[in-house]
Amino acid sequence: DGGITQSPKYLFRKEGQNVTLSCEQNLNHDAMYWYRQDPGQGLRLIYYSQIVNDFQKGDIAEGYSVSREKKESFPLTVTSAQKNPTAFYLCASLTGTDPYEQYFGPGTRLTVT
Amino acid sequence: DAKTTQPPSMDCAEGRAANLPCNHSTISGNEYVYWYRQIHSQGPQYIIHGLKNNETNEMASLIITEDRKSSTLILPHATLRDTAVYYCIVRVWSDMRFGAGTRLTVKP
Repeated sequence: DGGITQSPKYLFRKEGQNVTLSCEQNLNHDAMYWYRQDPGQGLRLIYYSQIVNDFQKGDIAEGYSVSREKKESFPLTVTSAQKNPTAFYLCASLTGTDPYEQYFGPGTRLTVT
Repeated sequence: DAKTTQPPSMDCAEGRAANLPCNHSTISGNEYVYWYRQIHSQGPQYIIHGLKNNETNEMASLIITEDRKSSTLILPHATLRDTAVYYCIVRVWSDMRFGAGTRLTVKP
């Protein structure tokens, strides 16, 4: 099956620890994205990558880092500098042809205490 | 920041048309209007998109004003399963930024 996988579904961490969220896609899409969603809120763009070894900051990149060493993978690290890391994190990829549709993974719910 | 403005919530009666407005007054000539919806805490799902012309598919219709500063998503016969948050997005190249969306509640 083609799609986007995110793991784990639920993640718990202690404050002060870095944590890495996994995102893998087998859709052969060039562009990939990370969004954050807080309860009752819309999606906010953290980072996106249009191609391997390239990425751009979104609206709320502070306290996060990404890498794009392979086309299939776009991991997100939530660092200890992120003040309120508890949230729902969604990864997506974008088709390279019309309608340039985004496909989303199932999300990872991160809780930091 | 998102380039679109949507009402935070709307209600619609089951079986009636749902008309969801979006304002994108700063849209540029090469920017497309996209609509997605999110049901519960799943990832958003693509609905429809357009540049200048009105568009229709099996899910919905998109009406874009002549000056392209606003658009309306139309769900012609809303069902209870259409209850969701609907996002209007202006896309340029790979930049996809969601706003707060409109929470549509379809009532029996």
